[in-house]
Amino acid sequence: AQSVSQHNHHVILSEAASLELGCNYSYGGTVNLFWYVQYPGQHLQLLLKYFSGDPLVKGIKGFEAEFIKSKFSFNLRKPSVQWSDTAEYFCAVTLLSGGSYIPTFGRGTSLIVHP
Amino acid sequence: ETGVTQTPRHLVMGMTNKKSLKCEQHLGHNAMYWYKQSAKKPLELMFVYSLEERVENNSVPSRFSPECPNSSHLFLHLHTLQPEDSALYLCASSLGLAGVAGDRDEQFFGPGTRLTVL
Repeated sequence: AQSVSQHNHHVILSEAASLELGCNYSYGGTVNLFWYVQYPGQHLQLLLKYFSGDPLVKGIKGFEAEFIKSKFSFNLRKPSVQWSDTAEYFCAVTLLSGGSYIPTFGRGTSLIVHP
Repeated sequence: ETGVTQTPRHLVMGMTNKKSLKCEQHLGHNAMYWYKQSAKKPLELMFVYSLEERVENNSVPSRFSPECPNSSHLFLHLHTLQPEDSALYLCASSLGLAGVAGDRDEQFFGPGTRLTVL
């Protein structure tokens, strides 16, 4: 079965530290890739997305992610985190199934940033 | 009101009750989704509708019954639930599905309904 794996379930960092969250998927076909974020008490919202073109995509709040097709990966990065980045981060992949793109989410990574 | 709204925000029900969750999107989207979010588990896709037709039913027990009367509204009817069904139920919408790559499947989420089954 197709799946999305997020390797880090809990990450604790100090402000100004660099962040990298791993995401791998198991599917050899065409995919669209997303990172969503859920801040405490708020809705899930889109952080960034990739569907074609430059494999290095930039999102909101200084986040970026790189699609490496050969590694089936879409890792999220930020060079210097802030306390306000404390949130739950979800990688999602939409996979072609029966003519439609169906989303599959990873289990999420909880990020805590200490001031 | 803008975005995706869900009602009620909290629901407590007994195992023999029948209740419904409602989702409404004000974005002009054509696809709507129900997800279950439990602690320590991945977000589980339950149902997907595109242009009011169900396109995905992810092996969800029949005690969950979706209804999509039009492209703006989605319901989840609940009947004889189990305590393990307690979770946050999220609704989302996207511009479309339709096998077209790109921006159409970016999802917009509602705040969720926190369901507790006693």
